[in-house]
Amino acid sequence: AQKVTQAQTEISVVEKEDVTLDCVYETRDTTYYLFWYKQPPSGELVFLIRRNSFDEQNEISGRYSWNFQKSTSSFNFTITASQVVDSAVYFCALRPMDSSYKLIFGSGTRLLVRP
Amino acid sequence: DAGITQSPRHKVTETGTPVTLRCHQTENHRYMYWYRQDPGHGLRLIHYSYGVKDTDKGEVSDGYSVSRSKTEDFLLTLESATSSQTSVYFCAISESVSQETQYFGPGTRLLVL
Repeated sequence: AQKVTQAQTEISVVEKEDVTLDCVYETRDTTYYLFWYKQPPSGELVFLIRRNSFDEQNEISGRYSWNFQKSTSSFNFTITASQVVDSAVYFCALRPMDSSYKLIFGSGTRLLVRP
Repeated sequence: DAGITQSPRHKVTETGTPVTLRCHQTENHRYMYWYRQDPGHGLRLIHYSYGVKDTDKGEVSDGYSVSRSKTEDFLLTLESATSSQTSVYFCAISESVSQETQYFGPGTRLLVL
């Protein structure tokens, strides 16, 4: 089965707290891509990061960081010093290397950052 | 930002009515996709296109058809809308399969009464 699980339905934090969003995936493929997208209250989907299965190096972009661990099939996303503008639904997605071209999305984690 | 527009952005229709949603891109990307977003399901692929006149089904294609007569336009048609097709529909594009990243349009909110 190919699947993405985001077990945290909703997280609420106070501004300036650090927060980690969990993503666990399942795939039989040895080659695949993982993604994170942000969906702010306005509704659009914003691409954040892409990671291929051969690159386990962690990545940092400003206050955002991603931890990819193949051993635990996880691709977690951490926001440091959260801000109100980070409030959104965050989706993790898997792109297996079969012929269907689809992204397999998790059900999303709603993050609320309170002032 | 990728140049992707969707029209209409909002639509209310009645059961049994045909509906066509349009996705237009200015990026000249080869691949285009239609997803639907429903609570608790994330996004699910309806149909996709890998070139002009080349389309294939996704995981939730029943009740939907698509057409792509030009690189820049990808149409999604609900032949006879049902209440279960009430959803938010997103179009996405990608430059190539190897490039992989899909960029999404702003979405169309469809309500079928």
